[in-house]
Amino acid sequence: AQSVAQPEDQVNVAEGNPLTVKCTYSVSGNPYLFWYVQYPNRGLQFLLKYITGDNLVKGSYGFEAEFNKSQTSFHLKKPSALVSDSALYFCAVRLNQAGTALIFGKGTTLSVSS
Amino acid sequence: EAQVTQNPRYLITVTGKKLTVTCSQNMNHEYMSWYRQDPGLGLRQIYYSMNVEATDKGDVPEGYKVSRKEKRNFPLILESPSPNQTSLYFCASRSTGTGLNSPLHFGNGTRLTVT
Repeated sequence: AQSVAQPEDQVNVAEGNPLTVKCTYSVSGNPYLFWYVQYPNRGLQFLLKYITGDNLVKGSYGFEAEFNKSQTSFHLKKPSALVSDSALYFCAVRLNQAGTALIFGKGTTLSVSS
Repeated sequence: EAQVTQNPRYLITVTGKKLTVTCSQNMNHEYMSWYRQDPGLGLRQIYYSMNVEATDKGDVPEGYKVSRKEKRNFPLILESPSPNQTSLYFCASRSTGTGLNSPLHFGNGTRLTVT
């Protein structure tokens, strides 16, 4: 069975500092990995994805994520946080196999203080 | 503008009164799906559809129905709502033309309260 874990319910950082939102996954094959962001009263928005190739993936709004196969992790990062980055972040995983669903983590609330 | 449109945004109803939440997408996506979002549980898939007249159960389908008679529409039906279906619901769609790695596009959500 595939699963994804976001070990932190909340991450607090000061504006201008680097941020990391953690994600680990468990699948029995090659994963597709995604990050989504949810702002208040809005649906989820796609940030970035890892399919294959370079382990460092760049996405929207200056975010990037590092795929680490040995640690089965896909942490979201940004070098310098903005107050406007405050939102709920979801990691998701699916197998490279037809018929498999996209499984979401429980979400991590990022709070960036000024 | 490419979008997934859900209606209504907010709905308060009573136990047992049938309701439908509509979902429409204008991107010609083959795949559509319904999720519910609950605190501490993340998003859980209710039903999905690979194309017209092709629907299947997700992880939490009990108490829900869907239909896919047209490519753009994917309504969620609660025949007899119960308080445990109080939740935030999201419709999502994606293209299958590029395989399994295309991202989902989400609607803005429907907050349902069943009393």
